[in-house]
Amino acid sequence: AQSVAQPEDQVNVAEGNPLTVKCTYSVSGNPYLFWYVQYPNRGLQFLLKYITGDNLVKGSYGFEAEFNKSQTSFHLKKPSALVSDSALYFCAVRPALGDTGRRALTFGSGTRLQVQP
Amino acid sequence: IAGITQAPTSQILAAGRRMTLRCTQDMRHNAMYWYRQDLGLGLRLIHYSNTAGTTGKGEVPDGYSVSRANTDDFPLTLASAVPSQTSVYFCASSAGTGTHEQYFGPGTRLTVT
Repeated sequence: AQSVAQPEDQVNVAEGNPLTVKCTYSVSGNPYLFWYVQYPNRGLQFLLKYITGDNLVKGSYGFEAEFNKSQTSFHLKKPSALVSDSALYFCAVRPALGDTGRRALTFGSGTRLQVQP
Repeated sequence: IAGITQAPTSQILAAGRRMTLRCTQDMRHNAMYWYRQDLGLGLRLIHYSNTAGTTGKGEVPDGYSVSRANTDDFPLTLASAVPSQTSVYFCASSAGTGTHEQYFGPGTRLTVT
């Protein structure tokens, strides 16, 4: 079964500084990897995904993520944080192959990003 | 605005009562999903449907049932609610089950007393 670990419950960063939200995964075979953001009292919004190809994936709102197969990681990054980036971030994984039941999307427990002005 | 709607927004329900959470999407997506979100546990999949007429069990299906009579609607039913079903419930959809990202509704906050 696949799993996702987000080792930090919360990440604090000053506005203008770079940010990183960590994610590691475990899956059989090749992974499809996703990042979502959740603002208070809202549903999750898709940020970016890695399917294949370039290990650096660019997404919405200036976010990017780097896929590292050897470290089984997919860390979310942004060069310059904004106060409005403060939210809950979820990493998710599904295996590229397999029956649809086992290919359900598995989410991490989430990391709260707090950007201080 | 195209997307997913969920109803009700919130509900307080007495234990033992039956409840149906409604979910409708207008994106003509094939796949739909129900998740529950609990603090510290992230989102856990309850049931899914890859296409109209088919459903499957997710990680935490006990106490819940779903139906998918058409493409747009995917209701979630709690036959006899228990306090452990207190949670925030999210419906989601995607164009397919492979590389496609999921789109989420605004959620239903359910409290079972």
